[in-house]
This record gives sequence, structure tokens and C-alpha cells, in this order.
Amino acid sequence: DTAVSQTPKYLVTQMGNDKSIKCEQNLGHDTMYWYKQDSKKFLKIMFSYNNKELIINETVPNRFSPKSPDKAHLNLHINSLELGDSAVYFCASSGEGATDTQYFGPGTRLTVL
Amino acid sequence: QKEVEQDPGPLSVPEGAIVSLNCTYSNSAFQYFMWYRQYSRKGPELLMYTYSSGNKEDGRFTAQVDKSSKYISLFIRDSQPSDSATYLCAMGRGAQKLVFGQGTRLTINP
Repeated sequence: DTAVSQTPKYLVTQMGNDKSIKCEQNLGHDTMYWYKQDSKKFLKIMFSYNNKELIINETVPNRFSPKSPDKAHLNLHINSLELGDSAVYFCASSGEGATDTQYFGPGTRLTVL
Repeated sequence: QKEVEQDPGPLSVPEGAIVSLNCTYSNSAFQYFMWYRQYSRKGPELLMYTYSSGNKEDGRFTAQVDKSSKYISLFIRDSQPSDSATYLCAMGRGAQKLVFGQGTRLTINP
């Protein structure tokens, strides 16, 4: 029983393409996140949704658009992919409380050629 | 200057050694401090969670927070090869908007 799952695990694509990454959690959490981890292992928050509403939106290009169809899912759509978008993207979820810890998915390794 | 500083290592120690991992931070408003462990090609998993200052112990792991020095530590006693991973510190004013350190890559040699 995977708590936070992401698909696909690997994504290789050409510059300029549009791609999506899907995330699902079965923990009953209200809050979901997208993080980007670069080649130097820096993990940075991109977005956070609470019960389908955007609550955190860091300085991320408009080409990145999160979509939350329901509170168990948070998908990430990326338009016009660039070389610099190559990274590992992690989805995470947490309960509604300010002290609730975050549980991470296994990551999606995106390579833009 | 980064908000959270963490030496990326790599750090290599023999099995059974005591390991000390550290982070410094600049934002005095941080109240929540975590340590995550990340195995190669996996997602981070929560190891320790501390609110405000003080120590917390869980088995072979001890987390310390010194807010006056803006310094947090993770100690691993009787280190095992299975502890080999990247250790990420994370902190925030709340537990939702976390700032992560770069991670320290640790190898425990049998």
C-alpha cells in the first residue's frame, strides 16, 4: 500500500514539449505539495494545495501549473519544457495541522534533452 | 547567504562510529525542525521531528536544537551500513512551508 504515489517514475522528453506528472495520496491528508530537487540535492518547495486550494506558490515559472481535481490528487503540468527543468520532482502530503509532518512520494526523474 | 546551510559532505565513517550531522540557519522565526533520510533514488522519509529547542531521542538517533545559536544536530549512535544515505535537515515557521538544507551524503563502511 503506497501512501504517496507518483507517475511516471522516469520521464525523458525533448525541449519544448508539454508533460504532466501525476500524484496520488491515500493517507486522507488535506495538504499536498510539489518539490523540485536539483542535481545538487537541493529540495525546494514549488506549490502547496490545501483541500484543492492553492496556498503556497513559490517563485516558479508560469510554465508550471498544478491542478488538484480532488484532495487526494495533485498533478503537475509543465509547458514548453527547458533544459533547466531537468530534476527530480517530488510530491508530498501532510495533515491539515500546522505541525503535521510531510510524507514524500518516490519522485519523478525528468530529463529534458 | 542561504537560509539553511548544511555541509554536503560526503562523510564516510566506519561501522559502529558515532555520526554527527549539523545545520545552521538564519531565520530566527523557525520553530519546527526535522531530519529526513533519503536513500538513493528514493523519496525523503521523516526521521526526527522537534518543535522549538531541546533534545529528542529515538533509538540510535538523537536530534538537538539550539535556537540561541541557530544550530541543529542529528547524532547517530552505533552506526550501521544501512544508515548510509543522504540526510536532509528541514525547518520552518510551520511544518507546511519547509526550507531544506542541501543534504549530507553519509556512508557507513562495514
